[in-house]
Amino acid sequence: GNSVTQMEGPVTLSEEAFLTINCTYTATGYPSLFWYVQYPGEGLQLLLKATKADDKGSNKGFEATYRKETTSFHLEKGSVQVSDSAVYFCALSWYNNNDMRFGAGTRLTVKP
Amino acid sequence: DAGITQSPRYKITETGRQVTLMCHQTWSHSYMFWYRQDLGHGLRLIYYSAAADITDKGEVPDGYVVSRSKTENFPLTLESATRSQTSVYFCASARGEGAGSYNEQFFGPGTRLTVL
Repeated sequence: GNSVTQMEGPVTLSEEAFLTINCTYTATGYPSLFWYVQYPGEGLQLLLKATKADDKGSNKGFEATYRKETTSFHLEKGSVQVSDSAVYFCALSWYNNNDMRFGAGTRLTVKP
Repeated sequence: DAGITQSPRYKITETGRQVTLMCHQTWSHSYMFWYRQDLGHGLRLIYYSAAADITDKGEVPDGYVVSRSKTENFPLTLESATRSQTSVYFCASARGEGAGSYNEQFFGPGTRLTVL
């Protein structure tokens, strides 16, 4: 079936470290891919998205590239800040379809 | 205030009781969703609605009932709460622009429900 698999957390980094959170998917067709972020006590917010192969989504220094050949959408940031501490969710959905599937989430803690 | 709100934010109830979680959005978005968030499972879709009076099941609908008489409201009812329904519940909405759309979903702050 259609699903998203994220690297297990939690992930703890020092400020200014490089971040990678792996995400792979299994899906029929050509889904759109998303990263959402959840800050403590809040709902999810869209961080970035990519709608077709080789697209790169970017926002707030975060990037992810839609890799169809490896069915992956890994999230990266070159230099994390304490304020990036949150739970990150990878998700997919289909063209004109509101059935969005989420990964289990990866908790990131950034220490000063 | 504009946006999407949920109430209550926290609820403790007992097994067998009926509980209704409220969701209200001010954007006139066509689509609304209910998810539950459980450790190790991410978010799972319970029900969604494409418009007023149109609802459909998601991945985990059993034990839940929804209605949508007005575009802006989408209540979720647990008719007879069970301990397995202890979770954090998120409501979301999306514009639903039709063909060619990849609809970003906007989430409410969540309701933490505990069933004793």
